[in-house]
Amino acid sequence: NAGVTQTPKFRVLKTGQSMTLLCAQDMNHEYMYWYRQDPGMGLRLIHYSVGEGTTAKGEVPDGYNVSRLKKQNFLLGLESAAPSQTSVYFCASSYPDRLATSGAKNIQYFGAGTRLSVL
Amino acid sequence: DAKTTQPPSMDCAEGRAANLPCNHSTISGNEYVYWYRQIHSQGPQYIIHGLKNNETNEMASLIITEDRKSSTLILPHATLRDTAVYYCIVRFHTFGNEKLTFGTGTRLTIIP
Repeated sequence: NAGVTQTPKFRVLKTGQSMTLLCAQDMNHEYMYWYRQDPGMGLRLIHYSVGEGTTAKGEVPDGYNVSRLKKQNFLLGLESAAPSQTSVYFCASSYPDRLATSGAKNIQYFGAGTRLSVL
Repeated sequence: DAKTTQPPSMDCAEGRAANLPCNHSTISGNEYVYWYRQIHSQGPQYIIHGLKNNETNEMASLIITEDRKSSTLILPHATLRDTAVYYCIVRFHTFGNEKLTFGTGTRLTIIP
């Protein structure tokens, strides 16, 4: 079981460059999330998706775009990278709460993270 | 979602029970208490959650006070691999609000 897989694991960008982070999950989860974690801080939600074709803003969405074209994939894009976006990015997936009563665990499963440096 | 307060750091001797407190004095009746941990720089890992009753699983026990204003996560026999940052999170169970709001957590160090 792969769970939640993030690619790439590491990346260095120059200011103004663009890139896409890929998150893939093989648990058939409806919900997917992108978080960022800065040194000494907890995770902050960037964007999330409650189903294929849907996305929503989280706590810190500026400078990022996302897409959920397939249920198992959630992409995070940086159109013009800035040094302030240097961070560790985590993807997560989960069932929705409404399925929890049927026995599905509505907990979030996280990937191993992508370490991004913007110079 | 209600805010939580946790001590920034704690130490525990290996083999002893680690008791991690969390204050959530503004919790409302239908908010759940969740615990996650983050080992080194890995992705957070779910530990346990509960509403009002005490809960136990293979990893830990969760004790919630009767007034639900605070809770304690108990790792019964701490090992060196339990060294991590532990996050206490409170949230509603509603459609479209499965988001987790992380604070800075408690850094638990297990001492050999």
